[in-house]
Amino acid sequence: TQLLEQSPQFLSIQEGENLTVYCNSSSVFSSLQWYRQEPGEGPVLLVTVVTGGEVKKLKRLTFQFGDARKDSSLHITAAQPGDTGLYLCAGHTGNQFYFGTGTSLTVIP
Amino acid sequence: KAGVTQTPRYLIKTRGQQVTLSCSPISGHRSVSWYQQTPGQGLQFLFEYFSETQRNKGNFPGRFSGRQFSNSRSEMNVSTLELGDSALYLCASSLPGHGHGYTFGSGTRLTVV
Repeated sequence: TQLLEQSPQFLSIQEGENLTVYCNSSSVFSSLQWYRQEPGEGPVLLVTVVTGGEVKKLKRLTFQFGDARKDSSLHITAAQPGDTGLYLCAGHTGNQFYFGTGTSLTVIP
Repeated sequence: KAGVTQTPRYLIKTRGQQVTLSCSPISGHRSVSWYQQTPGQGLQFLFEYFSETQRNKGNFPGRFSGRQFSNSRSEMNVSTLELGDSALYLCASSLPGHGHGYTFGSGTRLTVV
């Protein structure tokens, strides 16, 4: 059983569309991070959120940490082919980071 | 500054053999963590080292071990390889504290045949 569940698992959209990826848990996290991983490479950190309700923006990407610090969302506006990749959330609890199940995003030109 | 370096990038081993993977963290990062990534299980935590001490360990059998040297470089060893050990092994370094993210290496792709 995974501590963090991501949805959807797979997402294929046209360039220019908007999308939201969800990361949910029943556990409370002291911080939560989002990563993007491309084939054959390690994950790359996109953002860290630490405060319940916190919203961070990174260009067309908006990250939100839930008020209770149990969940998070990633919203991408006007998706581009360069956004294609595996998106992973990771929550910190009990001295350890736990990674989500991942969302594989494909943006079709 | 240089990123996290993992060697080798690819390995093919036979069942029953053992393997050692190496990781050089970002300069100044004393925390090194190892993860196993497979399509079915995602990223699973193996262990974390800080200042040459194992600080945390995941739920893997004793065949998986690691160590960290005084220069923060780390190695992980897998003995008596099984087919199910085929995976991408990722090393990540970070500054102390949960507010700092990981910097991952490109990984070592291990195939056990």
